[in-house]
Amino acid sequence: QQQVKQSPQSLIVQKGGISIINCAYENTAFDYFPWYQQFPGKGPALLIAIRPDVSEKKEGRFTISFNKSAKQFSLHIMDSQPGDSATYFCAATSRAILTGGGNKLTFGTGTQLKVEL
Amino acid sequence: DGGITQSPKYLFRKEGQNVTLSCEQNLNHDAMYWYRQDPGQGLRLIYYSQIVNDFQKGDIAEGYSVSREKKESFPLTVTSAQKNPTAFYLCASTPQFQNTEAFFGQGTRLTVV
Repeated sequence: QQQVKQSPQSLIVQKGGISIINCAYENTAFDYFPWYQQFPGKGPALLIAIRPDVSEKKEGRFTISFNKSAKQFSLHIMDSQPGDSATYFCAATSRAILTGGGNKLTFGTGTQLKVEL
Repeated sequence: DGGITQSPKYLFRKEGQNVTLSCEQNLNHDAMYWYRQDPGQGLRLIYYSQIVNDFQKGDIAEGYSVSREKKESFPLTVTSAQKNPTAFYLCASTPQFQNTEAFFGQGTRLTVV
């Protein structure tokens, strides 16, 4: 059962354009939504994250938009650059202290972004 | 520098063999995780451990085994029972019960020959 759905699977954007990747989740207990960036042959690294008490978070050219009622969140990359070409994963997790679920992340299936010159 | 070290980077396994992937962290994190990555399928959780001497199955635990004898170490054994072991394996860690950044290792690419 996939609890985080990510789209599109791949994306090609021209240099300077805006890249948009969308995710939707089902579990209302999720309370932390990170985005990870992964370059070929490397492990994912945290890019930006949001908690559900805010609707938007911006860090440089990267912005997360969060819609709690729709259970959706998205990553916007402004002024996309060739160096942004990578695979992006959205994820979600919850504290789940009482059930002992710990902090394990549920990942989307990934979006392969290519930024062309 | 603090971080997660996975070894080896590349591993080749013959049919019927068990192989063990190493994961070590010096971040003093309580929780550690193993994920498998296949093209188009994202990261799928194999096993996780919230504390020493305790671990839980993830979504695709069949054919895998783990141990957590030390806080710093969480090795993954891919057994001969795993029918399709060729994949990229990622180890991660987080502080316990805190929704903060998960740190990943650089991964081990396992290929069955």
